[in-house]
Amino acid sequence: KAGVTQTPRYLIKTRGQQVTLSCSPISGHRSVSWYQQTPGQGLQFLFEYFSETQRNKGNFPGRFSGRQFSNSRSEMNVSTLELGDSALYLCASSLDGQFNQPQHFGDGTRLSIL
Amino acid sequence: TQLLEQSPQFLSIQEGENLTVYCNSSSVFSSLQWYRQEPGEGPVLLVTVVTGGEVKKLKRLTFQFGDARKDSSLHITAAQPGDTGLYLCAGGNAGGTSYGKLTFGQGTILTVHP
Repeated sequence: KAGVTQTPRYLIKTRGQQVTLSCSPISGHRSVSWYQQTPGQGLQFLFEYFSETQRNKGNFPGRFSGRQFSNSRSEMNVSTLELGDSALYLCASSLDGQFNQPQHFGDGTRLSIL
Repeated sequence: TQLLEQSPQFLSIQEGENLTVYCNSSSVFSSLQWYRQEPGEGPVLLVTVVTGGEVKKLKRLTFQFGDARKDSSLHITAAQPGDTGLYLCAGGNAGGTSYGKLTFGQGTILTVHP
């Protein structure tokens, strides 16, 4: 069974640019969550999508947005990039996003802002 | 805001020793998940516990969820160099505002020396 796939694995951008990250969940999983991982803050929840709808959102500015397609694939967009956006962005999928359903993570996209 | 505190932050031990990692909160969680993450990879799920007092064993790893569902522990018996990595606990909650959201501890970096 294929795992969660994130593309690209690495990205280098400059301040002010925008970026789109992609996540393909495990087949049959309809919930996709996104997290930001930094050495100082650890893993922080960005948002969650289910059936093409954002159901939950963390405390991040509006520059961070996402969407989900009918095949459950999800994209995350960050606009007007700042130096502080440098991080590992992880997506995780689960059957339905319920608390008792384990989340399975991809290997992440490492975003570096110059 | 719910927080999870992990201790210790760093653990350096010799092969064959036993160790315990703690995950504590002042808040109740509906579920607790433990992950292990290696450099350059995403977190890999080790276990999910959902019932207060629950104990799960995975080979040399023993996981416990506190009776009040506010704390958890991971015990490793006879650690091996292959156990080296970042161990993360993450709490989930039931309810509409918690879909797909895990609250993570800061992690425990374990190094097992041959």
